Amino acid sequence: GAGVSQSPRYKVAKRGQDVALRCDPISGHVSLFWYQQALGQGPEFLTYFQNEAQLDKSGLPSDRFFAERPEGSVSTLKIQRTQQEDSAVYLCASSQVGNYGYTFGSGTRLTVV
Amino acid sequence: SQQGEEDPQALSIQEGENATMNCSYKTSINNLQWYRQNSGRGLVHLILIRSNEREKHSGRLRVTLDTSKKSSSLLITASRAADTASYFCATDPGYSSASKIIFGSGTRLSIRP
Repeated sequence: GAGVSQSPRYKVAKRGQDVALRCDPISGHVSLFWYQQALGQGPEFLTYFQNEAQLDKSGLPSDRFFAERPEGSVSTLKIQRTQQEDSAVYLCASSQVGNYGYTFGSGTRLTVV
Repeated sequence: SQQGEEDPQALSIQEGENATMNCSYKTSINNLQWYRQNSGRGLVHLILIRSNEREKHSGRLRVTLDTSKKSSSLLITASRAADTASYFCATDPGYSSASKIIFGSGTRLSIRP
């Protein structure tokens, strides 16, 4: 597709449930980023892939968060044993090497109840 | 943690007026970017200014960068109702060819008809 696609658009999870969020980047974009955005705040960096390699995962808040991009295209962000503080919008972005600006998806709004 | 701080946090102006938003950051950068986010949507890349540039224009947008003061400003001229959104600055520290960008907390801009 022409843009970055994320699914699902909305997800409601019961506390303790595992969730998986999907990101389809722009075809050919080498770099892929995940951000977490709390209500009224700016996006916070979670992790970064260059092709299939996860080069930076310093922003993942705990070991309950795991991201993968096994074939260098689609990426999945998994959150295990969700907690209420995980409620946020999860944004995926992709870019060409050299960082001329990111293209963001519309995000997945996760609500943990 | 967030690198940039936008000022003001919220701004309400009359349609047709100019809107100015400021961003201050803490560390040295490779480039600085501005993004717009409409309610409930992903971020849209507006403009990128490199550390060796002082001013850049794109349509009704004008961005300035003062690396000595570690600050940037975004000017939107002749504002329109469609400009109502949150605006974020994001800095690229330039650790690598495609390093993560770090967002500020944003300015919420409202255009009154």
